[in-house]
Amino acid sequence: AQSVTQLGSHVSVSEGALVLLRCNYSSSVPPYLFWYVQYPNQGLQLLLKYTSAATLVKGINGFEAEFKKSETSFHLTKPSAHMSDAAEYFCAVSDGSSNTGKLIFGQGTTLQVKP
Amino acid sequence: DTAVSQTPKYLVTQMGNDKSIKCEQNLGHDTMYWYKQDSKKFLKIMFSYNNKELIINETVPNRFSPKSPDKAHLNLHINSLELGDSAVYFCASSLGQGSYNEQFFGPGTRLTVL
Repeated sequence: AQSVTQLGSHVSVSEGALVLLRCNYSSSVPPYLFWYVQYPNQGLQLLLKYTSAATLVKGINGFEAEFKKSETSFHLTKPSAHMSDAAEYFCAVSDGSSNTGKLIFGQGTTLQVKP
Repeated sequence: DTAVSQTPKYLVTQMGNDKSIKCEQNLGHDTMYWYKQDSKKFLKIMFSYNNKELIINETVPNRFSPKSPDKAHLNLHINSLELGDSAVYFCASSLGQGSYNEQFFGPGTRLTVL
């Protein structure tokens, strides 16, 4: 069975500081991995995804994530936080073998950006 | 030009009532999903349909019944509403049912059962 663990339910950074949101996954088959962002009272929006091509994935709004198989991790980073980055971030894994599109989400991390 | 739309946005109702949430996508996608987000923001898939065929049916009470009249619509009907059904329900769609596909989410329907 697949699972996702996001370390840290709340992360607080200062504007301009590095953003690091941690995600570890468990999967018996090569996974597809996703990061989604949810702004208050809105639906989820895809930031980036890993589908077994390049291990360093660049997404929207300056975010990127690196797939590390040996560490079963897919951490999300952004060099310089902006106030508009304050939101809920979800890491998700999809089963590459079942081909149903079923996403398993982590618990979410709330990113707070302080001025 | 909304990609995935849901109605209503808010739904407040009494226990025991029956209610429906509608979802429409204008992206030309074949696959649609329903997710439930609880008060702790945990997201869990409930159902998915691919071209009107049920693909995923998670462990959901049979009071919940999805219906897909065509591949652009996926509605969710809930019978005999309970307090524990209070949550935000999200509809999503993707190009196909492949696990690598990005899912596009609607704005959500906040259901409150009193």
